[in-house]
Amino acid sequence: KAGVTQTPRYLIKTRGQQVTLSCSPISGHRSVSWYQQTPGQGLQFLFEYFSETQRNKGNFPGRFSGRQFSNSRSEMNVSTLELGDSALYLCASSFFQGNEQFFGPGTRLTVL
Amino acid sequence: GENVEQHPSTLSVQEGDSAVIKCTYSDSASNYFPWYKQELGKRPQLIIDIRSNVGEKKDQRIAVTLNKTAKHFSLHITETQPEDSAVYFCAASTGGNNNDMRFGAGTRLTVKP
Repeated sequence: KAGVTQTPRYLIKTRGQQVTLSCSPISGHRSVSWYQQTPGQGLQFLFEYFSETQRNKGNFPGRFSGRQFSNSRSEMNVSTLELGDSALYLCASSFFQGNEQFFGPGTRLTVL
Repeated sequence: GENVEQHPSTLSVQEGDSAVIKCTYSDSASNYFPWYKQELGKRPQLIIDIRSNVGEKKDQRIAVTLNKTAKHFSLHITETQPEDSAVYFCAASTGGNNNDMRFGAGTRLTVKP
């Protein structure tokens, strides 16, 4: 079974731009969660989608948004990028909410 | 919402010694507690997990203990090896219809040969 995939793997943007990241979960998994990882800050929860509905949202500004498609693939969007948005963005999928999560390789976003 | 605290932030041990990482959680409804290992440049991977109906779980050199009353759980690694060097994250979740899984800040474990 193929693992969680994320595209692109690396991204360089400038302040004020917007970016869209993509996550394809493991086949059959319906829950997709997104996390921001920065040095010293651990894994900060962004949001979680299940059956195309956002079920939970972390403490991030409205510039961070996401969606999930009928095939469970998910995208997250960050608008009006700031330098502080530079981070590794990880998505994780699970068969059901609250179960073991499988992480993708992440997208490393650099904002200049 | 759930808040997970993890200690220590860094841990250095000699090869062969034991390592213990501790986490506390705030939401008494949490019932699922996974531990993830993240090696440098790689994705986090689940190494062991425990549910609230169990007090201890072992898998070879790794064990996790849970104290629901005190709302804390710990990861124990025995006979540490250099390949155990990584960042370890604990997490807590109430499961169910909300994926409210929250992670600790991580512990960087270094095993010296």
